[in-house]
Amino acid sequence: EAEVAQSPRYKITEKSQAVAFWCDPISGHATLYWYRQILGQGPELLVQFQDESVVDDSQLPKDRFSAERLKGVDSTLKIQPAELGDSAMYLCASSLFRGTTYNEQFFGPGTRLTVL
Amino acid sequence: EDQVTQSPEALRLQEGESSSLNCSYTVSGLRGLFWYRQDPGKGPEFLFTLYSAGEEKEKERLKATLTKKESFLHITAPKPEDSATYLCAVHPRGNQAGTALIFGKGTTLSVSS
Repeated sequence: EAEVAQSPRYKITEKSQAVAFWCDPISGHATLYWYRQILGQGPELLVQFQDESVVDDSQLPKDRFSAERLKGVDSTLKIQPAELGDSAMYLCASSLFRGTTYNEQFFGPGTRLTVL
Repeated sequence: EDQVTQSPEALRLQEGESSSLNCSYTVSGLRGLFWYRQDPGKGPEFLFTLYSAGEEKEKERLKATLTKKESFLHITAPKPEDSATYLCAVHPRGNQAGTALIFGKGTTLSVSS
């Protein structure tokens, strides 16, 4: 069964360091999302890609976060410098959505980030 | 503002004791409502999508229903392996640029044998 892949699964870093997360969506899924989930809360969108283009990055803290999906397939999310408040689960999701009603999003296992 | 509220925050059941989880929403038009299951330390697992009031979907011991203001996830004769956090999310029609889901905080279900 096709799955969304993410790495690393866990990352511990010190504040002011740089971190990067990688995501490989389900094959053929044009839309890719990065969400952040704080413990006890639901996921919240950071950035959405349609193929290689950013569709929505309104909630992405652009002074320290960046995201790219150069060839429209896998994606990287970077934080530089990391702050204590960035400790959370970073989730990648993908969907076939191309302007139709259907928008089932399938999530990867996530990357648990701890900033010390 | 689009909003999703789930209740209760936590629910403890005995094995076989049926119950329901609630998801109420306020959105500028609804494209779809989604239910996910999330186990500790893992990503959400897709369960159901509902698109219009009156729609129902079932999967094993779970049944999801939708009205114009809320959705229910009914759990019939739950087993300990049903213990997880259940997340509700909406895809609002709105004017937002993207198609991201708006999630509630979830209901954490614990089923004891």
